[in-house]
Amino acid sequence: EAGVAQSPRYKIIEKRQSVAFWCNPISGHATLYWYQQILGQGPKLLIQFQNNGVVDDSQLPKDRFSAERLKGVDSTLKIQPAKLEDSAVYLCASSLDPRLWGYTFGSGTRLTVV
Amino acid sequence: GIQVEQSPPDLILQEGANSTLRCNFSDSVNNLQWFHQNPWGQLINLFYIPSGTKQNGRLSATTVATERYSLLYISSSQTTDSGVYFCAVERGSNSGYALNFGKGTSLLVTP
Repeated sequence: EAGVAQSPRYKIIEKRQSVAFWCNPISGHATLYWYQQILGQGPKLLIQFQNNGVVDDSQLPKDRFSAERLKGVDSTLKIQPAKLEDSAVYLCASSLDPRLWGYTFGSGTRLTVV
Repeated sequence: GIQVEQSPPDLILQEGANSTLRCNFSDSVNNLQWFHQNPWGQLINLFYIPSGTKQNGRLSATTVATERYSLLYISSSQTTDSGVYFCAVERGSNSGYALNFGKGTSLLVTP
């Protein structure tokens, strides 16, 4: 089966600019997660979708970050305006039943804010 | 949320050596997972192991839920085992399976 697709692979922007990331999960996976991984740390959950509804966005900085999952398939994560501390890898993951089948992560988008 | 601590933070091994990585967590868990992040950044699920012992080839994991720790064993290490190993637990009982990750153990296996 195809994996979780993410684009772009790399992005460099100036602070205060906007950026958007795209994720296409594995077909049939109802749950989709966006994680932020800062260099040297473990991934941190930003938002979790079940189909097209939000399950958990408690750690999403809502003043600048937004995410949507229209039609319960693809998802986009947007940052507007970006800050230097947003430099990180943004990972998308999907799952069917993680206790049976685990999680599948995409390759991530590496964002550098200068 | 549940806190996750991993040790050691860094580990260097010669090829063929064995190693044990530890994960301590702050509360009872329904879901504990081990991941390997390769040098190119890809995260791979290794084990779902909220309790008990599992083995997959040269890797095995044991979780003692009552004492709130899990161990990942790597035997006869190979250079391809290099990368960062993460332990992660479910964020909460109604979290929908989203995970809190530890800071990881960075492993380098030398030829």
